[in-house]
Amino acid sequence: KAGVTQTPRYLIKTRGQQVTLSCSPISGHRSVSWYQQTPGQGLQFLFEYFSETQRNKGNFPGRFSGRQFSNSRSEMNVSTLELGDSALYLCASSLAGGNTGELFFGEGSRLTVL
Amino acid sequence: TQLLEQSPQFLSIQEGENLTVYCNSSSVFSSLQWYRQEPGEGPVLLVTVVTGGEVKKLKRLTFQFGDARKDSSLHITAAQPGDTGLYLCAGASYNTNAGKSTFGDGTTLTVKP
Repeated sequence: KAGVTQTPRYLIKTRGQQVTLSCSPISGHRSVSWYQQTPGQGLQFLFEYFSETQRNKGNFPGRFSGRQFSNSRSEMNVSTLELGDSALYLCASSLAGGNTGELFFGEGSRLTVL
Repeated sequence: TQLLEQSPQFLSIQEGENLTVYCNSSSVFSSLQWYRQEPGEGPVLLVTVVTGGEVKKLKRLTFQFGDARKDSSLHITAAQPGDTGLYLCAGASYNTNAGKSTFGDGTTLTVKP
């Protein structure tokens, strides 16, 4: 059974640019969550999608947005990049809409903002 | 706001030693997960505990959920270099925050051969 796939794995952007990250969940998983991981802040919840609807959102500015498609694949977008957006962005999928709390993570997309 | 505090933040031990990592909160969670993360990779789920007082064993790892479902511990017996990594606890609350897990800051474990 294929795991969670995130693309791209690494990317470098400059301030002011925008970036789109992609996540393909485990087959059959309908919930996709996004987390930002930095050395100083740990894993911070960005948002969660279930059946194409954003069900929960963390405390991030509106520059961070996401969406989910009918096949459960998800994308997140960060506009007007800032240096502080440099982080590992992790996508996680879960089977029953997050009811068990169990998350299955991808390897992450490492974003560096120069 | 739900918070999870992990201790210790860093732990460096010799191969063969035992260790315990703690995860504490003032909030009650529906379930609690432990994950292990290696550099450059995403966290990997180790275990889920649901019932207060529950104890689960995974080879040399023993996980316990507090009676009040606010805290948890991870005990590793006879640690090996392959146990090196970042250990994260995460809590989920089904009714109030479906789809959202709160993560602790993690414990970085280094096991020296």
